[in-house]
Amino acid sequence: DARVTQTPRHKVTEMGQEVTMRCQPILGHNTVFWYRQTMMQGLELLAYFRNRAPLDDSGMPKDRFSAEMPDATLATLKIQPSEPRDSAVYFCASGLVDEQFFGPGTRLTVL
Amino acid sequence: RKEVEQDPGPFNVPEGATVAFNCTYSNSASQSFFWYRQDCRKEPKLLMSVYSSGNEDGRFTAQLNRASQYISLLIRDSKLSDSATYLCVVEFNQGGKLIFGQGTELSVKP
Repeated sequence: DARVTQTPRHKVTEMGQEVTMRCQPILGHNTVFWYRQTMMQGLELLAYFRNRAPLDDSGMPKDRFSAEMPDATLATLKIQPSEPRDSAVYFCASGLVDEQFFGPGTRLTVL
Repeated sequence: RKEVEQDPGPFNVPEGATVAFNCTYSNSASQSFFWYRQDCRKEPKLLMSVYSSGNEDGRFTAQLNRASQYISLLIRDSKLSDSATYLCVVEFNQGGKLIFGQGTELSVKP
């Protein structure tokens, strides 16, 4: 049963620290998405890639966030430096055409 | 105006009830539409796609009205296990970018 995996599942860190979240998309999926979910804003698209190339990162604060796909099996989302307002659940999703399959998320708390 | 707007929740209904969720979208060029379901503290999962002709999957019926830019989801004979948040989703462009509504929480009570 193919699934998107994300690590870590939970992360508590202090303001100013670097946070790196990792995602392994489903093998064969050519599109990878990063979302952030909060109670106030709901699910927001941060960035997405197709065939490892970034297509849209307009939803991401560029000064502190960066997203990369070093290879087809790994996507990373980095926050440096982290701030309390970054506390949220970060989901990675992968897909081929229309349907997106979500990972279990990384629950980030920045103190 | 938000790109995808949904009925505010929560909806609290008894088992067996019929419940309907509505959603409107702002981009008239959107071509693909979906309903996702999200259980508490879990990831969203595709419930069903929404087609122009309307489509049904068991107790769930989805409708699309392109002229009014309106999508609906009807759940018949609701079960306790239907309790979740239902997310209306619209494809922003043909590149796969999806815009999610805020979600409507459904709670089905015995």
